[in-house]
Amino acid sequence: AQSVTQLGSHVSVSEGALVLLRCNYSSSVPPYLFWYVQYPNQGLQLLLKYTTGATLVKGINGFEAEFKKSETSFHLTKPSAHMSDAAEYFCAVSVETSGSRLTFGEGTQLTVNP
Amino acid sequence: NAGVTQTPKFQVLKTGQSMTLQCAQDMNHNSMYWYRQDPGMGLRLIYYSASEGTTDKGEVPNGYNVSRLNKREFSLRLESAAPSQTSVYFCASSVKGNYGYTFGSGTRLTVV
Repeated sequence: AQSVTQLGSHVSVSEGALVLLRCNYSSSVPPYLFWYVQYPNQGLQLLLKYTTGATLVKGINGFEAEFKKSETSFHLTKPSAHMSDAAEYFCAVSVETSGSRLTFGEGTQLTVNP
Repeated sequence: NAGVTQTPKFQVLKTGQSMTLQCAQDMNHNSMYWYRQDPGMGLRLIYYSASEGTTDKGEVPNGYNVSRLNKREFSLRLESAAPSQTSVYFCASSVKGNYGYTFGSGTRLTVV
């Protein structure tokens, strides 16, 4: 079965600093990988996804992630944090044999300090 | 375009009471899901419906039942609520294939 581990339940950065949220996956077959963002009292919104093809994936709000098979990682980055980026971020994985079902990580709460 | 609509948004139940959480999507998606979100545990799959007429258990199905009423609607029922079911519940839907979900805005349930 596939699984996801997000390293760091809380990450704090200064406004304008690099954002790096870490995600490692475990899967015996090629994975499909996703990052979602959740703002307070809201549902989850898709930031970006990797299915096949280019390993560097660009998403909304200036975020991007790189699929690295050798490291089983899919870390989320943004060059310059903005106050509005403060939210909880979830990494998720699915595989062909699971249909469309996603398995989520435990989430990383991002705080952006002025 | 409403996407995925969940009702109610908030609910307080007493232990032993029953209730049904409603979910509807207007995107003609095949698959629908119910997750619960608890602090530090991410989202855990309760039940899912890969297509109209089918339902399957997820990771944490105990204490819940579901009905896929038609392609649009997927309801979650708590027959006898317990304090351990205090959580935020999310409904989601997807097209066939690994393209990700569209989520509803959630139902915050408290069982006292």
